[in-house]
Amino acid sequence: NAGVTQTPKFQVLKTGQSMTLQCAQDMNHNSMYWYRQDPGMGLRLIYYSASEGTTDKGEVPNGYNVSRLNKREFSLRLESAAPSQTSVYFCASNSVVGDTQYFGPGTRLTVL
Amino acid sequence: QKEVEQDPGPLSVPEGAIVSLNCTYSNSAFQYFMWYRQYSRKGPELLMYTYSSGNKEDGRFTAQVDKSSKYISLFIRDSQPSDSATYLCAMTGETSGSRLTFGEGTQLTVNP
Repeated sequence: NAGVTQTPKFQVLKTGQSMTLQCAQDMNHNSMYWYRQDPGMGLRLIYYSASEGTTDKGEVPNGYNVSRLNKREFSLRLESAAPSQTSVYFCASNSVVGDTQYFGPGTRLTVL
Repeated sequence: QKEVEQDPGPLSVPEGAIVSLNCTYSNSAFQYFMWYRQYSRKGPELLMYTYSSGNKEDGRFTAQVDKSSKYISLFIRDSQPSDSATYLCAMTGETSGSRLTFGEGTQLTVNP
């Protein structure tokens, strides 16, 4: 039981490049989330998926797209990376309303 | 104004001290309250979870919720150097389903 896994762990991009961050969970959770964490800003929700087949915008969705590939996997795509997207990205998942979220180890992304 | 306010610190205490960490919030719909611990370069991990008002104790950790004042606290007794981390409060309510709203996090250092 690996919990929530994320790939890659580190990535450096040039402005304008694209990439996809991968997330998978093996806890049979319905809901999955993508956050970014920046100094002085805390964790901010980018997108979430309440169940397989649905996705919704969070607090800071601009510049990102997501895909809920199946119940296990939720990917985050940057189509044209910008320096403002330099951050640590966390994926999380949970099961029911009010349930705690379980986090992955994070992806450290730098956009030059 | 942020929905959840948390003093970012940093907070530095000697080993053995009692630590008090606090968050205030403005949304009266919040009824599930959590504390996460995040070690440097790691993902957040759940420390304490409480529903509605009251106290909850787990070993050296006590979580308190005062919904009338919209104020939550985490107390750490007999603090240890291994408690050095960033502590994030998080909360959710019926209207937001399982989406969590996080505080900025308080950076704690326990000195031997």
